[in-house]
Amino acid sequence: DVKVTQSSRYLVKRTGEKVFLECVQDMDHENMFWYRQDPGLGLRLIYFSYDVKMKEKGDIPEGYSVSREKKERFSLILESASTNQTSMYLCASSRAGGADTQYFGPGTRLTVL
Amino acid sequence: SQQGEEDPQALSIQEGENATMNCSYKTSINNLQWYRQNSGRGLVHLILIRSNEREKHSGRLRVTLDTSKKSSSLLITASRAADTASYFCAPSSGSARQLTFGSGTQLTVLP
Repeated sequence: DVKVTQSSRYLVKRTGEKVFLECVQDMDHENMFWYRQDPGLGLRLIYFSYDVKMKEKGDIPEGYSVSREKKERFSLILESASTNQTSMYLCASSRAGGADTQYFGPGTRLTVL
Repeated sequence: SQQGEEDPQALSIQEGENATMNCSYKTSINNLQWYRQNSGRGLVHLILIRSNEREKHSGRLRVTLDTSKKSSSLLITASRAADTASYFCAPSSGSARQLTFGSGTQLTVLP
């Protein structure tokens, strides 16, 4: 079975802090994705990556950056956390090619105070 | 990538009844996927239906696709309390690697 893990289930940070959210997948998937999910807004794509050191902006990249140094790991970085980044963050991975099945991690609920 | 729109936004049924939710999309697709999300958890893939398929089954799930109407339906038969979750559709087209998810249908199955 594909396993996608995220570093924390719950995280509380202060405004202005630098925040790292880590995602690791164990199925050698080429594609990895970061979403945020807010009530009434569904899932919104922040960034995705289709190869090591490659990244593509999603629909809402402002205020975020990403890092993919190894194939299995995709990190989401909040350079200076703000209260409007309080949200559920979901990581997913999929095989190379077109829009294949995505496998999701359990999510990280981030609260920025 | 294009976004699917799920309908209804919320659905409440009794255990044992069937639940039907719909998805509409705008342009031609390669395939369409359905996912489930239990409260506070990640999404789980349920089923993928390709553009040349009209119907697909998986256990108590039945998915139909009508490309002429640009719509898909997910039917859950003999629902259980454990089916309570949000359900999302994700149509994909072209060579896009990413999916776009809508706001989903919140299904509540009452015991």
